[in-house]
Amino acid sequence: SYELTQPPSVSVSPGQTARITCARDALPKRHTYWYQQKSGQAPVLVIYEDDKRPSGIPGRFSGSSSGTVATLTISGAQVEDEGDYYCYSTYSSGDLSVFGTGTKVTVL
Amino acid sequence: QLQLQESGPGLVKPSETLSLTCNVSGDSISRDGFHWGWIRQPPGGGLEWIASIYHSGRTYNNPSLKSRVTMSVDTSKNQFSLKLSSVSAADAAVYYCARHVFRVVQGLLTSQFDLWGQGTLVSVSS
Repeated sequence: SYELTQPPSVSVSPGQTARITCARDALPKRHTYWYQQKSGQAPVLVIYEDDKRPSGIPGRFSGSSSGTVATLTISGAQVEDEGDYYCYSTYSSGDLSVFGTGTKVTVL
Repeated sequence: QLQLQESGPGLVKPSETLSLTCNVSGDSISRDGFHWGWIRQPPGGGLEWIASIYHSGRTYNNPSLKSRVTMSVDTSKNQFSLKLSSVSAADAAVYYCARHVFRVVQGLLTSQFDLWGQGTLVSVSS
């Protein structure tokens, strides 16, 4: 099965760096996307194709990928960055879309 | 700008069929290169992709739900729909529709859901 495993929670103080990992099976490389979801809202894309930032997303959000682990980094986390974060990848020639298990980020 | 809006009953009885529609406004659902998908999120839970469809009618389904899922597209109404049969309490969730964009990047086929509806809550109860 295709699974993307994330830590359930990450907690940081304001201004500190938060790192969220997304571990996948040892399959051929896949690009990773990251979504931020605030309470009661639809998810918003914050990183695409491993390390690219959509327009309008603050520069403190960055992404990287090495081997079977992708990482979302929030440098200088702000209180408004609290929420749930999901990684996402596409498998099987595009026929299968998989979301990660999700990570709750707390900034306090 | 493109907007998506889910609609359908907020309450479905166990063993019955859940039916939802996503109305697309601001652009044509038949535009080449764009697929359309459904994602759900149970209360307090994570995101789960259900299925996606192209305007040609070709569908892609999550294997864990495949036998219960039917997607369709109505280009004349600029909308697409989801039917999930034999629902149980485990199907209670917020259901989102979204635009599903595929690209080839560095030789790899990849995709993202770039625009989402606001979501609609579906409960399952007799």
